[in-house]
Amino acid sequence: TQLLEQSPQFLSIQEGENLTVYCNSSSVFSSLQWYRQEPGEGPVLLVTVVTGGEVKKLKRLTFQFGDARKDSSLHITAAQPGDTGLYLCAATGANNLFFGTGTRLTVIP
Amino acid sequence: ETGVTQTPRHLVMGMTNKKSLKCEQHLGHNAMYWYKQSAKKPLELMFVYNFKEQTENNSVPSRFSPECPNSSHLFLHLHTLQPEDSALYLCASSLRDRVYEQYFGPGTRLTVT
Repeated sequence: TQLLEQSPQFLSIQEGENLTVYCNSSSVFSSLQWYRQEPGEGPVLLVTVVTGGEVKKLKRLTFQFGDARKDSSLHITAAQPGDTGLYLCAATGANNLFFGTGTRLTVIP
Repeated sequence: ETGVTQTPRHLVMGMTNKKSLKCEQHLGHNAMYWYKQSAKKPLELMFVYNFKEQTENNSVPSRFSPECPNSSHLFLHLHTLQPEDSALYLCASSLRDRVYEQYFGPGTRLTVT
């Protein structure tokens, strides 16, 4: 069973702070995705990373894929209340997606 | 309507009831999925349909019965559920060769009493 462990599980920060969340596995992946799920909604795809060492930026969000393609990180700069939500990493295996354990982020105004 | 829609958004049912969850996608996708999301557990894949054919059944109890009449519609028929089946049930769709890019509906919050 492929397992994606995310840390921290919960994170509560003040508006304007920076944060990093992590997604780790012992398996190698051809690609890795990050989704965000807001309360009362389904997950929404934020980014796909494919190449080891790849860095992608989406406004204040920076995504990095580990060199060995086993792990990934998401860094948010100057967090805003609108960033509140559940952040899920996901990877493709056997033609399906499987998801990580999630990081629940709360940004306090 | 656009995207992926799910009805109902909330459902309370007794253990002896029979109910169905409905999912509809307007994205022209050819793969559809059912997931279960419980507190303290990762999102769990339940069923996968490609071109209306079921290709995955992740050891889901038979009290959950999926149906995919066409590539735009997906149902989850529920009968004699248990309280531990209470969860958020999410439907998603994608192009078959872009499994990583799934579009999710808002989910049905199910409570079994």
